Amino acid sequence: GDSVTQMEGPVTLSEEAFLTINCTYTATGYPSLFWYVQYPGEGLQLLLKATKADDKGSNKGFEATYRKETTSFHLEKGSVQVSDSAVYFCALSDLGKGAQKLVFGQGTRLTINP
Amino acid sequence: DGGITQSPKYLFRKEGQNVTLSCEQNLNHDAMYWYRQDPGQGLRLIYYSQIVNDFQKGDIAEGYSVSREKKESFPLTVTSAQKNPTAFYLCASSITSGRAEEQFFGPGTRLTVL
Repeated sequence: GDSVTQMEGPVTLSEEAFLTINCTYTATGYPSLFWYVQYPGEGLQLLLKATKADDKGSNKGFEATYRKETTSFHLEKGSVQVSDSAVYFCALSDLGKGAQKLVFGQGTRLTINP
Repeated sequence: DGGITQSPKYLFRKEGQNVTLSCEQNLNHDAMYWYRQDPGQGLRLIYYSQIVNDFQKGDIAEGYSVSREKKESFPLTVTSAQKNPTAFYLCASSITSGRAEEQFFGPGTRLTVL
């Protein structure tokens, strides 16, 4: 079945450092790809998404490009802030039985030190 | 404010007892979902519903049951048949169940079996 593999964490960076969190996927069709973020004690929030190959999703300084040739959707940010500390999940949509099902990676915990 | 509410935030259960987790949304979304989150793992889909009075099993439905009698509500019952119910449970909704629809998540319920 479809699956998502994320870079293992935890990841610890200093403020203003460059961030990359790797995400690769396997899918039989043409899924949409998502990055969700979970702040401590909260549910998940959509960070960005891309629906077809070569699309770039972006939000709050974060970017990710849908690379069909490498089956990847790596998350990047040029200069991280302490407030970016959270758990980040890569996910793909799987249209099973005509309804969207999200398949998640295991999550990457990011800590930014001042 | 529109959103998804889950209650209670923390729930304790004795072995052998059934327990029901509440999920309510006022976003007028058709589709609703229940996920389970375990430490160091991604989210796994338990059940989902595309429309009132209809629902389908997700990847880990055994030991769980749901109902969808109203558009706004999608309660999850964790039965005594669920062998390892201690986890963080997240409810989500989306406008439709389409391929690229964003899912909106509630704050979660942490269930502990004593």
